[in-house]
Amino acid sequence: AQSVTQPDIHITVSEGASLELRCNYSYGATPYLFWYVQSPGQGLQLLLKYFSGDTLVQGIKGFEAEFKRSQSSFNLRKPSVHWSDAAEYFCAGQDWDNAGNMLTFGGGTRLMVKP
Amino acid sequence: NAGVMQNPRHLVRRRGQEARLRCSPVKGHSHVYWYRQLPEEGLKFMVYLQKENIIDESGMPKERFSAEFPKEGPSILRIQQVVRGDSAAYFCASSPLETVNEKLFFGSGTQLSVL
Repeated sequence: AQSVTQPDIHITVSEGASLELRCNYSYGATPYLFWYVQSPGQGLQLLLKYFSGDTLVQGIKGFEAEFKRSQSSFNLRKPSVHWSDAAEYFCAGQDWDNAGNMLTFGGGTRLMVKP
Repeated sequence: NAGVMQNPRHLVRRRGQEARLRCSPVKGHSHVYWYRQLPEEGLKFMVYLQKENIIDESGMPKERFSAEFPKEGPSILRIQQVVRGDSAAYFCASSPLETVNEKLFFGSGTQLSVL
């Protein structure tokens, strides 16, 4: 069965430090992959997506993610974290062959930013 | 152009009562998805609807849960005889198309608390 795993439940970084959030997927074929951010009491906002082509994907708010087929990973990165980045981050996948927009989400990583 | 509107934002019910959650998709969107987020977990797909049709309800419990998306009006997720385990955040998402995930918009969710 398809699955998306985020190994880190909580991560704390200092403001200005670099950030990497891990995401691994398990699908029969390469899925579409997404990163969403959820601020407290808010819905999900799409940060970036990977469908095909260039494996390094640029997103909003200075985030990027790299698709690595050999590692079945799609890690999210940011070179310098801002306090406003504190939120919960979800990696999600979609089977390219399915009808409809059903996403499989990872369990989320809660990011805390120290001043 | 309003986004996906969900109401109420917070809903408190006693065990055995009914919960009705409403979702108004983005204007012009005819595809609606419901997800449930249990505490400390990621979002889990429940049901996918188009106007007047349920396309995929594979993620929805067979008992007590139902969903509709009428020709006119919002999509409704209905939970009968709620139990404490139904306490969760319920998110609705909409899209104009069935396969282009980049057009998926999420609402801010309804937090259901069952006493």
